[in-house]
Amino acid sequence: KAGVTQTPRYLIKTRGQQVTLSCSPISGHRSVSWYQQTPGQGLQFLFEYFSETQRNKGNFPGRFSGRQFSNSRSEMNVSTLELGDSALYLCASSVGTVTDTQYFGPGTRLTVL
Amino acid sequence: GQQVMQIPQYQHVQEGEDFTTYCNSSTTLSNIQWYKQRPGGHPVFLIQLVKSGEVKKQKRLTFQFGEAKKNSSLHITATQTTDVGTYFCAEQNTGNQFYFGTGTSLTVIP
Repeated sequence: KAGVTQTPRYLIKTRGQQVTLSCSPISGHRSVSWYQQTPGQGLQFLFEYFSETQRNKGNFPGRFSGRQFSNSRSEMNVSTLELGDSALYLCASSVGTVTDTQYFGPGTRLTVL
Repeated sequence: GQQVMQIPQYQHVQEGEDFTTYCNSSTTLSNIQWYKQRPGGHPVFLIQLVKSGEVKKQKRLTFQFGEAKKNSSLHITATQTTDVGTYFCAEQNTGNQFYFGTGTSLTVIP
């Protein structure tokens, strides 16, 4: 099976812009979770989508949003970018049941100037 | 929200020495997972522990879940340079939301 793919891998934006990141889960996986990873804050949960519905949400401002399509692919959007949004954004897919294993994609490295 | 404390934050060892990282939670966990992230890479699932007092081994790695299901440990015997990376524990709530520990960065000196 193909692994989790994320596009783009690298992105440079300026403050105030918006950005959309994409994640394609492993075939058959219905859950996609998004994480922000920074040196100072570690891996922080953004949100999880399951069958096109947001099932869980972390403690991030409303500038961070996401959606999931019927084929389980997911997108994450960040509006009005701030310098502090510079991070590695990881998505992880899983079947979607409790006691699940998450499979991470390679991540998108976002730099905000 | 749930907090997962992981210690130590950094660990430098000589190749061949043992290494242990500890994960402590403020709540009783339903299960705990361990991941490894190589430098420049992404987290990769290692193992999941579900039962109280459970011990699982993967070659030189030993994972343990506390009796009270509030803590866990990962022990590596005779470290090798291939063990370099950051080790994360992650607890999962009933809603399939994962809380990751702060991670332990392991450096192995040849």
